Amino acid sequence: KQEVTQIPAALSVPEGENLVLNCSFTDSAIYNLQWFRQDPGKGLTSLLLIQSSQREQTSGRLNASLDKSSGRSTLYIAASQPGDSATYLCAVPDMLYGNNRLAFGKGNQVVVIP
Amino acid sequence: DGGITQSPKYLFRKEGQNVTLSCEQNLNHDAMYWYRQDPGQGLRLIYYSQIVNDFQKGDIAEGYSVSREKKESFPLTVTSAQKNPTAFYLCASSMGSTKTSGNTIYFGEGSWLTVV
Repeated sequence: KQEVTQIPAALSVPEGENLVLNCSFTDSAIYNLQWFRQDPGKGLTSLLLIQSSQREQTSGRLNASLDKSSGRSTLYIAASQPGDSATYLCAVPDMLYGNNRLAFGKGNQVVVIP
Repeated sequence: DGGITQSPKYLFRKEGQNVTLSCEQNLNHDAMYWYRQDPGQGLRLIYYSQIVNDFQKGDIAEGYSVSREKKESFPLTVTSAQKNPTAFYLCASSMGSTKTSGNTIYFGEGSWLTVV
């Protein structure tokens, strides 16, 4: 069964610093990995989807890398802003059940201090 | 606007009552999901459906039931058999399963259920 770990669980950074969030997973036979953002009391918003054939994906200030063989992904957020304060979750397919069933990490809770 | 609509946003359940959470999507997605989120925990899958009139249990299906009579709708009933139902419930959908590529999963805004 796929297990997903996100470290650190929580972090605070001053505005303008770059954020580095880590995600590791136990079963590397995945087709893709997704990063999500969740604001308090809200649903999840998809940020980036990386296919297994890709090593990274970029969207604006966000860059996600994927090292499938080592079971790791990193989400970089450049020049952080207070509006980036949220919980960031990564998810990968639990291949025991096929590509449609995802295993989620518990998230990285981020606070950007103005 | 296309998206996933969950209702109600807040729901209170008395002991012994069944309650139903609504989830509707207009994204023309085949697959729909229900997750439960507790403080400090990741998302846990309750039920999912990949096609109309078919659904499968997730990791924590006990005390819950679902139906998928229409492509757009996937309601979740929290029965009295669910002993600790207070949680945040999230509905999601995606295009469907493909073995060789991923499909982005989209989430609703969630429903808070509290037992009183």
